[in-house]
Amino acid sequence: DADVTQTPRNRITKTGKRIMLECSQTKGHDRMYWYRQDPGLGLRLIYYSFDVKDINKGEISDGYSVSRQAQAKFSLSLESAIPNQTALYFCATSAAGTGNTEAFFGQGTRLTVV
Amino acid sequence: AQSVTQLDSQVPVFEEAPVELRCNYSSSVSVYLFWYVQYPNQGLQLLLKYLSGSTLVKSINGFEAEFNKSQTSFHLRKPSVHISDTAEYFCAVSHDNQGGKLIFGQGTELSVKP
Repeated sequence: DADVTQTPRNRITKTGKRIMLECSQTKGHDRMYWYRQDPGLGLRLIYYSFDVKDINKGEISDGYSVSRQAQAKFSLSLESAIPNQTALYFCATSAAGTGNTEAFFGQGTRLTVV
Repeated sequence: AQSVTQLDSQVPVFEEAPVELRCNYSSSVSVYLFWYVQYPNQGLQLLLKYLSGSTLVKSINGFEAEFNKSQTSFHLRKPSVHISDTAEYFCAVSHDNQGGKLIFGQGTELSVKP
């Protein structure tokens, strides 16, 4: 089984719908992240959480919200999906520490908003 | 603030040829540097990293990168590529006050042709 699991892997939704992307991990890491990947833009940070009671906005948080249900679970919600949120979304984890820790990524969720 | 620039969006090469994927960064503080690889339909995985010490770092599959502080570069090289190296490669930076947050470059698609 994958250490970082994202569900669903693919999703097509309509404009205006609320959608939740889920992430769970078995790495035992405290830190979890949501990134968005767009062609030509690389990955950009949406939200991050350094422990269960800690939630922080990243570079592009507008239109998104998150919930850290447990150490192992971190969900990303789009309250009212719009077409420019069509992208590949990645969840990642890392151990506590400074900036030298490795990040472990899930396999991604491909979201299409029509 | 940090930023990362990958100068080539696509690099086509023939099998067994050498390759260099370029990465430049901007930062006012000391950074940690990473190369991640994304194989088709998969998440990102760490290829190699520079934290401190020797400026030349190597991966287990023949890639190497050299940290050049004066040129603020961390170019990735391989003397002889294989078809299986076809993937997208991302350069990323972090620093001590970032925790595990990464700032990514735009990505470079390496396409190895027979």
